[in-house]
Amino acid sequence: KAGVTQTPRYLIKTRGQQVTLSCSPISGHRSVSWYQQTPGQGLQFLFEYFSETQRNKGNFPGRFSGRQFSNSRSEMNVSTLELGDSALYLCASSFPGSEMITDTQYFGPGTRLTVL
Amino acid sequence: GENVEQHPSTLSVQEGDSAVIKCTYSDSASNYFPWYKQELGKRPQLIIDIRSNVGEKKDQRIAVTLNKTAKHFSLHITETQPEDSAVYFCAASGRTGGYNKLIFGAGTRLAVHP
Repeated sequence: KAGVTQTPRYLIKTRGQQVTLSCSPISGHRSVSWYQQTPGQGLQFLFEYFSETQRNKGNFPGRFSGRQFSNSRSEMNVSTLELGDSALYLCASSFPGSEMITDTQYFGPGTRLTVL
Repeated sequence: GENVEQHPSTLSVQEGDSAVIKCTYSDSASNYFPWYKQELGKRPQLIIDIRSNVGEKKDQRIAVTLNKTAKHFSLHITETQPEDSAVYFCAASGRTGGYNKLIFGAGTRLAVHP
């Protein structure tokens, strides 16, 4: 099976702009989680989508949002970009089993966002 | 809130030696503990994971142990090789924070010298 893919791989934006990142999960996987990776804060959970519904949310401001489509592909959007939003944004997909356990997550290559 | 502490932050070993990385979690309801390896410029790759109903799991040169009472888990790499050099992240997840929400440690940079 093809792995998790993310587009674009690199983005350069200026403060105040908005950006949309895309994630295509492994075929058959219905859960997509998003993480922000920075040298200072490490890997931080943004949100998780399952069956087009946000199921979990991390501690990020409302400028960070996401959605999931019926084919399980997911997008995340960051509005009013700030310098501190520069990071590697990673998505991970998993095949959901019971709703009472955490599924193994497989990461995509990430989108490197630079805010100038 | 949930927290995962990881030690050491850097680890340098000679090829063939063993390496041990330790993590402590705060949420006693955590029940899933994966380890990821991230090479420079690459995506995190799952190397091994363990659930709370198991105390130890092994896969060739890699093993993970879990002590639920003390709320800590460890990664053991034996017979290290230069290609083991990378940043290793532990993570925890469970009922309190929400399933599929991984809380990561800060990472350990492992350098294996030939």
